[in-house]
Amino acid sequence: DSGVTQTPKHLITATGQRVTLRCSPRSGDLSVYWYQQSLDQGLQFLIQYYNGEERAKGNILERFSAQQFPDLHSELNLSSLELGDSALYFCASSAEDRGAQHFGDGTRLSIL
Amino acid sequence: LAKTTQPISMDSYEGQEVNITCSHNNIATNDYITWYQQFPSQGPRFIIQGYKTKVTNEVASLFIPADRKSSTLSLPRVSLSDTAVYYCLVGDMWRSSYKLIFGSGTRLLVRP
Repeated sequence: DSGVTQTPKHLITATGQRVTLRCSPRSGDLSVYWYQQSLDQGLQFLIQYYNGEERAKGNILERFSAQQFPDLHSELNLSSLELGDSALYFCASSAEDRGAQHFGDGTRLSIL
Repeated sequence: LAKTTQPISMDSYEGQEVNITCSHNNIATNDYITWYQQFPSQGPRFIIQGYKTKVTNEVASLFIPADRKSSTLSLPRVSLSDTAVYYCLVGDMWRSSYKLIFGSGTRLLVRP
């Protein structure tokens, strides 16, 4: 158990819809990272927050947004969903900025 | 932009030492190199992290040459349970924009 909690574990929705994925970091970790893993693209970095502030941004689509709240949990919002957004979405946390990351078990998003 | 390259797959036998190399030609100057292990339907699991030369922990060693353009993960005496996909993760700095980049992953198969 990594200590990182992601909810929900599975999500099935339709094209055009909007979903919110939630992540609770390990106790004491200040940094949260979001990744997308699909069969054809591998693990893709989306965004990082450190103590509530955006720290780094990857290839995150404009339809996607994230935030980290004062209690350090984070949410990833995906809107206007397309079939290609079907993937595993992982959250990770670290104690230090760019330190060793510990991953949750992911949210599997299926777009029908 | 950084490109991380790993062998797609490797085969080994129980008890052997396995070395997996990752090439990262544009790693950010002050960033760590980190390796992860991933089993099906699970999040990546932290193995080891280093900045330069050699790092060793209870499960692996990490060798990083002076130019830091590559790194080698060494797994001593692998067992069947080490069958998994192994990823390197580095930070890339391109035109003042920082992002994290995972390698494409090396699928390790350990045979009896």
